[in-house]
Amino acid sequence: GQNIDQPTEMTATEGAIVQINCTYQTSGFNGLFWYQQHAGEAPTFLSYNVLDGLEEKGRFSSFLSRSKGYSYLLLKELQMKDSASYLCAVRPRLRDSQNFVFGPGTRLSVLP
Amino acid sequence: DAGITQSPRHKVTETGTPVTLRCHQTENHRYMYWYRQDPGHGLRLIHYSYGVKDTDKGEVSDGYSVSRSKTEDFLLTLESATSSQTSVYFCAIRTRDNEQFFGPGTRLTVL
Repeated sequence: GQNIDQPTEMTATEGAIVQINCTYQTSGFNGLFWYQQHAGEAPTFLSYNVLDGLEEKGRFSSFLSRSKGYSYLLLKELQMKDSASYLCAVRPRLRDSQNFVFGPGTRLSVLP
Repeated sequence: DAGITQSPRHKVTETGTPVTLRCHQTENHRYMYWYRQDPGHGLRLIHYSYGVKDTDKGEVSDGYSVSRSKTEDFLLTLESATSSQTSVYFCAIRTRDNEQFFGPGTRLTVL
């Protein structure tokens, strides 16, 4: 089966750093994705990791460890507009390898 | 936004009626997806398509059918809507760089 876990909610302060963790157990692995979703809106793509290590993109970084089935999204210099849900998704290496499996999402609240 | 539109954006219907949701893309992407998003469940794949007339089932396909007669359009049909199908429906495409982009969503309420 496929299982992806994320914390349900997190709270952080404006200007701080927050790390959102994601652990996965899938029948294969062909990439891990992070999305941001503001309330009432569609998810938007943030990052894609397929090899171990850290990918940095401005204030956002994403880390992957395939041996541990673990990823995190790091948000620096938090802004109020970063309040949103963050979705972790895995593409398993299956016969129908085009499918994506999404975690339940982590709702981040940034406080002043 | 990868040129993805969905119609309608909001719909209220009654149990037992047929409903069709449309996803339209302008950039000729091969792969298209239909998801539903519900509190406590996250995004779940209903059906996907890997080309014209080529579709396959996802995790929660029961009660739904799809069609793709043209590259740009992917239709999701609820043959006989039920209250359990009240949800927000997102269409998505996958690019050659393995990024997935979503349409704006359709909020469907089945009374």
